Amino acid sequence: QKEVEQNSGPLSVPEGAIASLNCTYSDRGSQSFFWYRQYSGKSPELIMSIYSNGDKEDGRFTAQLNKASQYVSLLIRDSQPSDSATYLCAVRANYGQNFVFGPGTRLSVLP
Amino acid sequence: EAGVAQSPRYKIIEKRQSVAFWCNPISGHATLYWYQQILGQGPKLLIQFQNNGVVDDSQLPKDRFSAERLKGVDSTLKIQPAKLEDSAVYLCASSFGVKDEQYFGPGTRLTVT
Repeated sequence: QKEVEQNSGPLSVPEGAIASLNCTYSDRGSQSFFWYRQYSGKSPELIMSIYSNGDKEDGRFTAQLNKASQYVSLLIRDSQPSDSATYLCAVRANYGQNFVFGPGTRLSVLP
Repeated sequence: EAGVAQSPRYKIIEKRQSVAFWCNPISGHATLYWYQQILGQGPKLLIQFQNNGVVDDSQLPKDRFSAERLKGVDSTLKIQPAKLEDSAVYLCASSFGVKDEQYFGPGTRLTVT
């Protein structure tokens, strides 16, 4: 059974700080990794995807992937109250195979 | 570009009744997914279609759930008969190409009483 684990939180950070969200996965053969943001009562929206080891930056967001450690993280710089949401990690083994979502980490950015 | 469309947005039914959800994916997206999301949990895949064909339905409770995707575009998900534990948000998503990034519709919130 493929598993994706995340700390459920809530993770609280002050406005302007860096928020660090972590995700581990059990399937060593996983190839694709995705971060989604989900506001309360809304559907998940894609933040970014990462496929290779290392860092990938998009605006205030940085995804970090370490396949050897089976670990993917999302850093949010200059956190804003509008970043308060649940962040979902999703992992896919190979193209065309299904995604496995983690339970999500609830982030609260305090003004 | 229009997003993934779903209807209805909300549905309340009694247990043992039937219900159907509809999804229209982003134009050109060959892969369509149905997820069940229970409050406080991540989405759980129910079924994945590639064009008309089923890629994965291993977590679909086939005794009560069914899904189809006619002509490789729209899809319907049906529950018959519904149970209390089916109360959840049903999300439809679609994706295209090798990157396979999924885009979600607004979801249908189902309450079974």
